[in-house]
Amino acid sequence: DSGVTQTPKHLITATGQRVTLRCSPRSGDLSVYWYQQSLDQGLQFLIQYYNGEERAKGNILERFSAQQFPDLHSELNLSSLELGDSALYFCASSVGSLQGNGEQFFGPGTRLTVL
Amino acid sequence: TQLLEQSPQFLSIQEGENLTVYCNSSSVFSSLQWYRQEPGEGPVLLVTVVTGGEVKKLKRLTFQFGDARKDSSLHITAAQPGDTGLYLCAAPKRTSGSRLTFGEGTQLTVNP
Repeated sequence: DSGVTQTPKHLITATGQRVTLRCSPRSGDLSVYWYQQSLDQGLQFLIQYYNGEERAKGNILERFSAQQFPDLHSELNLSSLELGDSALYFCASSVGSLQGNGEQFFGPGTRLTVL
Repeated sequence: TQLLEQSPQFLSIQEGENLTVYCNSSSVFSSLQWYRQEPGEGPVLLVTVVTGGEVKKLKRLTFQFGDARKDSSLHITAAQPGDTGLYLCAAPKRTSGSRLTFGEGTQLTVNP
């Protein structure tokens, strides 16, 4: 158990809908990262938050957004969903943004299926 | 763009055999992580290597960081079916945060 929790475990929805994925980082970790994993793309970085502020953006679509709350949990919002958005979405956390050896601890993921 | 190339992409071996997985790049890294992932689950951190030439052992797994900190290898001795999984190398990108860049992974299957 990494200490990172994600809900829900599975999500099935229709095209055009909007969903919210939730993540709670390990106790004491200030950074939260979101990654997308699909069969043909591997693990791709989406966005990072550090202590409530956006720190880095990766290949995140404009239809996607995220935020980190004062209690450090984070939510990833996916809107106007398309079939191609079906993937595993992982949250990871680390102690700091530039501290340590870059170690990140991953949650169990949310499997999103868009029908 | 820092890219991590892993080889082989797929590996199917018999229980008891030894194997080596490689992770290569043209970039120099401050550190490199190895993760293991099982289907439908999140990657689990196995080890972090930091110093060029560093060797770390985790039971039957031996991890090595290249002298120039551009490459790494994972060697498994006497593989067991429980070692089956996707092995990923990853390195942090230190500019604007510490996002991880992942290799495409090596899918290992150990047959009993």
